[in-house]
Amino acid sequence: NAGVTQTPKFQVLKTGQSMTLQCAQDMNHEYMSWYRQDPGMGLRLIHYSVGAGITDQGEVPNGYNVSRSTTEDFPLRLLSAAPSQTSVYFCASSLFVPGQGGEEQYFGPGTRLTVT
Amino acid sequence: GNSVTQMEGPVTLSEEAFLTINCTYTATGYPSLFWYVQYPGEGLQLLLKATKADDKGSNKGFEATYRKETTSFHLEKGSVQVSDSAVYFCALTNTGNQFYFGTGTSLTVIP
Repeated sequence: NAGVTQTPKFQVLKTGQSMTLQCAQDMNHEYMSWYRQDPGMGLRLIHYSVGAGITDQGEVPNGYNVSRSTTEDFPLRLLSAAPSQTSVYFCASSLFVPGQGGEEQYFGPGTRLTVT
Repeated sequence: GNSVTQMEGPVTLSEEAFLTINCTYTATGYPSLFWYVQYPGEGLQLLLKATKADDKGSNKGFEATYRKETTSFHLEKGSVQVSDSAVYFCALTNTGNQFYFGTGTSLTVIP
C-alpha cells in the first residue's frame, strides 16, 4: 500500500499560470479532501469529495477547482495562480459512512507551492 | 458550527518533562476527536483518537480523554523525548464529510 501520494513535492509558478496538483490513494477510500496549510492558520479545507462524481466546497474554495472521476484520484487545479496561493497543500483520504461518525484521515506528504 | 481551539505555542520543554496541550471544541451532536502529529517536512499522521464521551485514546505514551462535559480533548504525555518535537493538531469530525482542525501547537523538546 502506497497510501496517499501527491505530486509534485515542490512547484514554483508565476502569477497567472495554471497547474494541477495530483493526489492518489490506493486504500479504496470514498472520502478525499484538499487542505492548505499556512503559518498560524492550521489546515483549511479547500474542497472535498465523498465519492466519484461528487465534490463540494470547503472553507477556502476560491481560485481552485476539483473533479473526481475515479475513487483513486482527486486532482486540484489552479486556473490562474496568485501569490496568495503560496502555501503547502495536503491531500487526505478516509473511509466515509454516511450518517455515522468520522474515521481518521490519511495524509499525503504535501506539495509546497510558491507563486511569484 | 464546528470549531477547534488549541493552546497557543510554541511550547519548549526539557526532556522527561510532563506535557499538556489543551484542546477544546464546539460541535453539534457527538463528534469524533483526533490528535495528529506533523514532523518537519512531512504530512500529518494520526496520533490517537476517541469516538465517544469518556473514551481515552492512547499511543506512544500520549493520552487524551474525550470530555463532553467540558468539551475538551487535552493531549498529555508523562515524559517527553527529543523525538517528540513536532507540531500537534487537534481535530474533530461530526459526519465524516468535513474535518475541523486547530491551528497547531509546536513542541520543541531540548536535551
